Amino acid sequence: GQNIDQPTEMTATEGAIVQINCTYQTSGFNGLFWYQQHAGEAPTFLSYNVLDGLEEKGRFSSFLSRSKGYSYLLLKELQMKDSASYLCAVLDSNYQLIWGAGTKLIIKP
Amino acid sequence: DAEITQSPRHKITETGRQVTLACHQTWNHNNMFWYRQDLGHGLRLIHYSYGVQDTNKGEVSDGYSVSRSNTEDLPLTLESAASSQTSVYFCASSDGLDPNTGELFFGEGSRLTVL
Repeated sequence: GQNIDQPTEMTATEGAIVQINCTYQTSGFNGLFWYQQHAGEAPTFLSYNVLDGLEEKGRFSSFLSRSKGYSYLLLKELQMKDSASYLCAVLDSNYQLIWGAGTKLIIKP
Repeated sequence: DAEITQSPRHKITETGRQVTLACHQTWNHNNMFWYRQDLGHGLRLIHYSYGVQDTNKGEVSDGYSVSRSNTEDLPLTLESAASSQTSVYFCASSDGLDPNTGELFFGEGSRLTVL
């Protein structure tokens, strides 16, 4: 079966750095997405990786290793507004998105 | 500004009733999707459409139907609501030549409770 694993919850301190991991086992791979979802709101797009390596976008970076079936989202200089759930999703060989259950990130002052 | 809107945002209904959730987008996107989101689960695809008159079943389509008569709208109908369909429903749309690699734009969600 297809599976996306993320930690259920993480806690970090304002101003610090946090890494949210995502491992996947899917039938084929055509890219990996990260979305941010604040409580009670819609998910919003953060990043898309299809090649190995690190993609940096401001305070957020996303890394992909296709051989390891692994990705992480790195958030730097954490702000209180970064408290949200972070969703990892993989595009499989049929171009269907398989979603992880999300990681709830709690930021403490 | 272009947007995607869902209505109603909150709905309480009884088992066996027919319910329709509306989704309207002004992005002029060809691709539209309906997902449900439940605690402990990732987003699960119910139905999707790649254009007018095109509809396809997702992984959890039983008990749901959609129709696409124009570019802007993809209403989701629960023919006979069941308590297992209590959930938050998200509509999304995307653009691009490849419908599945484009960024998804989500509506604000519709919270449905079936008693």
